[in-house]
Amino acid sequence: EAAVTQSPRSKVAVTGGKVTLSCHQTNNHDYMYWYRQDTGHGLRLIHYSYVADSTEKGDIPDGYKASRPSQENFSLILELASLSQTAVYFCASSDGRTNTEVFFGKGTRLTVV
Amino acid sequence: AQSVTQPDARVTVSEGASLQLRCKYSSSVTPYLFWYVQYPRQGLQLLLKYYSGDPVVQGVNGFEAEFSKSNSSFHLRKASVHWSDSAVYFCAVTPRNYQLIWGSGTKLIIKP
Repeated sequence: EAAVTQSPRSKVAVTGGKVTLSCHQTNNHDYMYWYRQDTGHGLRLIHYSYVADSTEKGDIPDGYKASRPSQENFSLILELASLSQTAVYFCASSDGRTNTEVFFGKGTRLTVV
Repeated sequence: AQSVTQPDARVTVSEGASLQLRCKYSSSVTPYLFWYVQYPRQGLQLLLKYYSGDPVVQGVNGFEAEFSKSNSSFHLRKASVHWSDSAVYFCAVTPRNYQLIWGSGTKLIIKP
């Protein structure tokens, strides 16, 4: 079964600190995504990637960087964490065709204090 | 610009009753349409999808959805809900490119 694994599952970070969220997929998918979920909102796309060593900006990239060192791994980096970045973050993967399923990880709950 | 609207943030239904969750989209072309479900502290899972053809599509666990081009809608239905259906349901569309556009979600609460 397709699998997307996120780590950590939860994290408390200090304002101004650096945070790295990791994602690993075993689906052999080309596309990987980082989404943010806030209460009362749907998912908002932060960054995505369709090939290793390349990332693209999504709808809300400000304050976030992404890294895709291999097809299987995709990281989200908050260089200077802020209170407004408290949210649940989801990693996902798909094979890139528009009519196919997106597979999600279980999410990382990030609290910035 | 494409958008997805789920007008009901929260829906409460008695166990055994029927259910409809609403979804309307705005797109310049007929998109591909999806319903996903999110159980507590879990990622999202696909319930069903529509690409073309029969406007009524069947999904897992007795869910179905009906596409209406004239109404730009893709409502989710279930004939008889179970307590385990309590979750947040998301409608999403992809206007034939890589990117999904998400609704804000509807939280389904099942009353015993």
